[in-house]
Amino acid sequence: GAGVSQTPSNKVTEKGKYVELRCDPISGHTALYWYRQSLGQGPEFLIYFQGTGAADDSGLPNDRFFAVRPEGSVSTLKIQRTERGDSAVYLCASSLGGETEAFFGQGTRLTVV
Amino acid sequence: GIQVEQSPPDLILQEGANSTLRCNFSDSVNNLQWFHQNPWGQLINLFYIPSGTKQNGRLSATTVATERYSLLYISSSQTTDSGVYFCAVGEYSSASKIIFGSGTRLSIRP
Repeated sequence: GAGVSQTPSNKVTEKGKYVELRCDPISGHTALYWYRQSLGQGPEFLIYFQGTGAADDSGLPNDRFFAVRPEGSVSTLKIQRTERGDSAVYLCASSLGGETEAFFGQGTRLTVV
Repeated sequence: GIQVEQSPPDLILQEGANSTLRCNFSDSVNNLQWFHQNPWGQLINLFYIPSGTKQNGRLSATTVATERYSLLYISSSQTTDSGVYFCAVGEYSSASKIIFGSGTRLSIRP
């Protein structure tokens, strides 16, 4: 597609369950970012990929959060043992890398009940 | 890490008014973008402007990198301009993180 695509748009899960959120970046973009946005706040950095490797994962809140990008394109954010505090909109962005413009997907709204 | 502050946090204007939104950052940057988050949550790219001035219709932006601030100007506001405006910067020392400010919530009254 022409833009960054995230699936699902909405996800409701029970506390303690495992979830996967998917991001399809813009074709040819080598850099990929994950962010988390809580209500009324700005997006919070989670992790950055350059190609297949996680170049910076300093924003992941704890070891329940993990992200992969095995072929340097699609990325999956994985959350284990979900907690109610994980409820937020998870945003993905991609760019050509380095000092270039980033483009965001529409986000996945995660609700943990 | 770099700090990004946006002001004002909230702004209410009548349709047709002009506005200036400010973004201050605490360190040198190699990347600065302005976004508009619409009511559906989509972040829409407005400007990629690590330095200099750009204009796009009723919107323009100026970044003075040496003084560590950027301004977004909206002229002749329309109700569709309502939403949250975010400034996001990339640290000069790091090619990875893009750090967002807390945003300016703009409400345009008809």
